[in-house]
Amino acid sequence: DSGVTQTPKHLITATGQRVTLRCSPRSGDLSVYWYQQSLDQGLQFLIQYYNGEERAKGNILERFSAQQFPDLHSELNLSSLELGDSALYFCASSEQGLVQETQYFGPGTRLLVL
Amino acid sequence: DQQVKQNSPSLSVQEGRISILNCDYTNSMFDYFLWYKKYPAEGPTFLISISSIKDKNEDGRFTVFLNKSAKHLSLHIVPSQPGDSAVYFCAASGYGGATNKLIFGTGTLLAVQP
Repeated sequence: DSGVTQTPKHLITATGQRVTLRCSPRSGDLSVYWYQQSLDQGLQFLIQYYNGEERAKGNILERFSAQQFPDLHSELNLSSLELGDSALYFCASSEQGLVQETQYFGPGTRLLVL
Repeated sequence: DQQVKQNSPSLSVQEGRISILNCDYTNSMFDYFLWYKKYPAEGPTFLISISSIKDKNEDGRFTVFLNKSAKHLSLHIVPSQPGDSAVYFCAASGYGGATNKLIFGTGTLLAVQP
């Protein structure tokens, strides 16, 4: 158990809908990362937060947004969902979000868009 | 453009023998490399890392080798055990900047046969 929790574990929804994925980092970790793993793809970095502030952005679609709250949990919002958004979404956390810090991953949320 | 490549989607090894997983990268700005292991229905788990100032790092049965001139790294597992059967992801980070975002390869499925 990495100490990172993600809810829900599974999500099935329809095209055009909006969903929210939630992540609680390990106790004491200030930085949260979101990654997407599509079929036959490695994990793709989406976005990083540190203590409530956005620190880095990857190839995150404009339909997707995220935030980190004062209690350090994070939410990833996916809107106007398309079939291609079906994927595993992982959250990870690290202490300060600095280079060479180990990132600890949650179990992921599997999203299926029908 | 895949900056981190794992060209072998799968590898099968006998228990007790050596497993060698390979990874190539294209971005010479990467200065930190990691291997993560992933079991089904779980998030990736950190295994071992290496900084670009080293060419080898060992941790028990796991050794990572880095060849900067060839932009190649490999993970050696010896002796291999059935519990090592999992997907192994190579990842890179650094760029000399403040972000700790990871760029992952597509993974290699290792099957260790008893």
